Amino acid sequence: NAGVMQNPRHLVRRRGQEARLRCSPMKGHSHVYWYRQLPEEGLKFMVYLQKENIIDESGMPKERFSAEFPKEGPSILRIQQVVRGDSAAYFCASSPIRTGGRHEQFFGPGTRLTVL
Amino acid sequence: GQSLEQPSEVTAVEGAIVQINCTYQTSGFYGLSWYQQHDGGAPTFLSYNALDGLEETGRFSSFLSRSDSYGYLLLQELQMKDSASYFCAVRDNNAGNMLTFGGGTRLMVKP
Repeated sequence: NAGVMQNPRHLVRRRGQEARLRCSPMKGHSHVYWYRQLPEEGLKFMVYLQKENIIDESGMPKERFSAEFPKEGPSILRIQQVVRGDSAAYFCASSPIRTGGRHEQFFGPGTRLTVL
Repeated sequence: GQSLEQPSEVTAVEGAIVQINCTYQTSGFYGLSWYQQHDGGAPTFLSYNALDGLEETGRFSSFLSRSDSYGYLLLQELQMKDSASYFCAVRDNNAGNMLTFGGGTRLMVKP
């Protein structure tokens, strides 16, 4: 059973360009979460999605950032007009509907975004 | 606001026992999780406590005191491979599994 997959693993963009980060959850998982991690810091929640629905986007910056989880295909985190401060590791996690009481999230390997 | 406090760094020797503390202040509380992250790697789940008390899983144990808003991760018989960052995280919303993470504790295990 393949784990959570993210691509690309590394992404370099110049200021003003767009970044698209993709996440395929584990098979059978319908909940997807995106987190951002700056060096030497913890993960910051950004957005929680279920298929075709954004459940909670309280951690998403109001501008330039958007996320989707379509009926078919991976979840996408999109950052428009990137700035240097967007440089970070972006992790996707997934969980099944029923977590068996552990509430475990399964994390992907992350996408490391560098904005030049 | 939401905040979780944990020490930034801990050093211990192989074979020793180390305890990583976590205190939290969150608007809601449904459980405390611990995740391990090696440099450049993905966070991996270690434990989850929703109720007071100690949960043991092999060499790792996790403790929670809801009245004190406090928990800890206990690592026994330390091995070099345990060198990693350890994050406590609060599940603060019953509508979903979103987590609020602490800043992480970097554990260095020395021979």
